[in-house]
Amino acid sequence: DTGVSQDPRHKITKRGQNVTFRCDPISEHNRLYWYRQTLGQGPEFLTYFQNEAQLEKSRLLSDRFSAERPKGSFSTLEIQRTEQGDSAMYLCASTPGDEKLFFGSGTQLSVL
Amino acid sequence: GNSVTQMEGPVTLSEEAFLTINCTYTATGYPSLFWYVQYPGEGLQLLLKATKADDKGSNKGFEATYRKETTSFHLEKGSVQVSDSAVYFCALVANTGNQFYFGTGTSLTVIP
Repeated sequence: DTGVSQDPRHKITKRGQNVTFRCDPISEHNRLYWYRQTLGQGPEFLTYFQNEAQLEKSRLLSDRFSAERPKGSFSTLEIQRTEQGDSAMYLCASTPGDEKLFFGSGTQLSVL
Repeated sequence: GNSVTQMEGPVTLSEEAFLTINCTYTATGYPSLFWYVQYPGEGLQLLLKATKADDKGSNKGFEATYRKETTSFHLEKGSVQVSDSAVYFCALVANTGNQFYFGTGTSLTVIP
């Protein structure tokens, strides 16, 4: 068990570009969450998967954001036409369903 | 709605001092309550949890009691160590859903 893995650790992009992040959860965990965290704030919920089904999406998740979890394994979060306000740490977490979240180290996005 | 409010930091204590970090919540139904900790350079990890009123969660010398009457879940430790320096997040998950709500985090620095 190597824990929750996120890739890349850091991403610098220009405004208007598309970016995609990947999350590999702990293998037997059927629930996967995406959160966003800005400096001095706690994680804010973005979306949640139960296996391959996306069950809940936050109002924070505009139509520029899309997430997938094909086959209920890894997940990707794509941001299209990035804006400076998208700059944040994007966190992935997984859980087997017992309310204990296992977090990855996050992907730090900087939009210039 | 669901939300968590925790005391603002940063908090600086001398080694062996007593620690309290206040957390209050607003939730529908009967939430489960958590404290997560983020050590420098690492992802968030669960410190302790409590799932019903009057439950006490404990781990690594830290304790928190679920107080329904005051809607609180304050974190305490009798004698902090330098290695406890981290950011602490209070969180809840409402029994009506699977979305976790986090506080803004409290930074703790323990000096020798």
